Amino acid sequence: EPEVTQTPSHQVTQMGQEVILRCVPISNHLYFYWYRQILGQKVEFLVSFYNNEISEKSEIFDDQFSVERPDGSNFTLKIRSTKLEDSAMYFCAYGAYNEQFFGPGTRLTVL
Amino acid sequence: GIQVEQSPPDLILQEGANSTLRCNFSDSVNNLQWFHQNPWGQLINLFYIPSGTKQNGRLSATTVATERYSLLYISSSQTTDSGVYFCAVTYNQGGKLIFGQGTELSVKP
Repeated sequence: EPEVTQTPSHQVTQMGQEVILRCVPISNHLYFYWYRQILGQKVEFLVSFYNNEISEKSEIFDDQFSVERPDGSNFTLKIRSTKLEDSAMYFCAYGAYNEQFFGPGTRLTVL
Repeated sequence: GIQVEQSPPDLILQEGANSTLRCNFSDSVNNLQWFHQNPWGQLINLFYIPSGTKQNGRLSATTVATERYSLLYISSSQTTDSGVYFCAVTYNQGGKLIFGQGTELSVKP
């Protein structure tokens, strides 16, 4: 069983709509990450979160994206106004002793 | 930044055959991981191997950090081994994983 769950497993949205992707860790971890994978391509880093603060973000993670841990458990990725090119699989990951483990992912389809 | 290159990009095997997948990286790394992405898209951890050799059943991996490469060996391949194999590295503790492009493996019965 993965130590993180992600919801929803699949989200379909219209271009310009806001989406919130959720990651729920089962155990306490210090490091969290969001990655995305456009269909047929490699996995790309979006943002890392350490001790409840953003520690690093990529060029992809522009003002359209935000990340929060609103209640100390859920870990969310928000895309404010989705574009067609945001269609991808979004993975949440956590770090444990230098190794990273991935959640099952949310497939986002923007129409 | 660090470049990660995997070879071959595609591989087709008959069931029972052995294979070697390679991962080259352009700079010193703190962590190296191998993943298997199954047909449902899930990323399954295979090995955490910044250096040395590890074995897990029919799979084994070797990383030669001084020469900046890692190898993943699959022996007696099965159809369930099909999928994409990714190598990924970090250069600092807690840092982002930088992925290679992957090797797509197809094992035929």
